[in-house]
Amino acid sequence: AQTVTQSQPEMSVQEAETVTLSCTYDTSESDYYLFWYKQPPSRQMILVIRQEAYKQQNATENRFSVNFQKAAKSFSLKISDSQLGDAAMYFCAYRDGGSQGNLIFGKGTKLSVKP
Amino acid sequence: DAGITQSPRYKITETGRQVTLMCHQTWSHSYMFWYRQDLGHGLRLIYYSAAADITDKGEVPDGYVVSRSKTENFPLTLESATRSQTSVYFCASSESLAEIPYQETQYFGPGTRLLVL
Repeated sequence: AQTVTQSQPEMSVQEAETVTLSCTYDTSESDYYLFWYKQPPSRQMILVIRQEAYKQQNATENRFSVNFQKAAKSFSLKISDSQLGDAAMYFCAYRDGGSQGNLIFGKGTKLSVKP
Repeated sequence: DAGITQSPRYKITETGRQVTLMCHQTWSHSYMFWYRQDLGHGLRLIYYSAAADITDKGEVPDGYVVSRSKTENFPLTLESATRSQTSVYFCASSESLAEIPYQETQYFGPGTRLLVL
């Protein structure tokens, strides 16, 4: 069975600095998708960024980028120029390419941003 | 554009009572999902549906029932609520599993916080 591991329960970053959140996963599939979701105190789950496994190029969305290392099964999220609004729980998630479509989530990393 | 909504947002009930959580999406997405979020577990899939009248179990289905008579609605029923079902429940939807960028991305509702006394 696929698993997703986030080894950092909590992280802290200074405003305007850069922080990297780690995620590793385990799968025997070659076709899959990876996601980072943000959950602010409002509890809303917000998609931050996604990556297709067949793409070698790392995804980027404004200040958010990923470092996707397929062989190492690693999918880290880098947040540049951190802002106070980035403070939230961040969840890494995995989905098989041809499966029923459900997401498998890590347990999350709580990010604090210091002014 | 309302997107995906859940009701109620907060619910307190007692052990043994039946509770129904509602989920409605306005995108006509084919796939809909129910997750529960518990401290230390992240989000876990309860049930999902690929289309109207097609549902299947996820990782933690025991004690829950779903139906999907219309594409836009996917209610989740706790037939006899237990304290272990105290949780935050999220509904999500995605357009399809087709290999077109972003069609498989799941979008989440705001969640329902359920307390079973």
